[in-house]
Amino acid sequence: DAKTTQPPSMDCAEGRAANLPCNHSTISGNEYVYWYRQIHSQGPQYIIHGLKNNETNEMASLIITEDRKSSTLILPHATLRDTAVYYCIVEAPLSRGNKLVFGAGTILRVKS
Amino acid sequence: GAVVSQHPSRVICKSGTSVKIECRSLDFQATTMFWYRQFPKQSLMLMATSNEGSKATYEQGVEKDKFLINHASLTLSTLTVTSAHPEDSSFYICSAWDSDFYNEQFFGPGTRLTVL
Repeated sequence: DAKTTQPPSMDCAEGRAANLPCNHSTISGNEYVYWYRQIHSQGPQYIIHGLKNNETNEMASLIITEDRKSSTLILPHATLRDTAVYYCIVEAPLSRGNKLVFGAGTILRVKS
Repeated sequence: GAVVSQHPSRVICKSGTSVKIECRSLDFQATTMFWYRQFPKQSLMLMATSNEGSKATYEQGVEKDKFLINHASLTLSTLTVTSAHPEDSSFYICSAWDSDFYNEQFFGPGTRLTVL
């Protein structure tokens, strides 16, 4: 069974913030929230991950609710190159043997 | 981030032949590599986990005799699709992990296999 629920698709105007939601109501205490994206016909690209605190890097921000049952990935200024499938994955720390299991993800279309 | 390469990027073969796909970690040693398969308009499906020096662990429903995985060194894992058939046509992607990157996996660019 999938650990996360994401909307199948979203549109965003170029230059605006893209806010991608993810529900993970059954997340357990040691599980992280990971975000990857896949541009058409390429391998997935790591974006960001977090446990319970909000995180920010050069690509995006991750906002995790206090109860950890949902999170939002924020791309602050979306560009056309951000059009991709975005995957929210909940998993224990990726120590040896832990696997990333991909769900359906959200297709983000950035439009000019 | 670390770099993972795959070779070839795309391959076309005849039905019944075997095809080998290589996955290399270029600037780090990967104790664990994973192999995924992705059909058009679908998500990635994990096929197997490959640990250096030991036998691969296959996911339920994946035929280990058809998809041979070898992880003979810390920088190279190979996936061989034996007696390929048109239904094996897919996008094959590997990822690699090492203890230096505790919470990240790095993905290769993928290999497009077409079986005629």
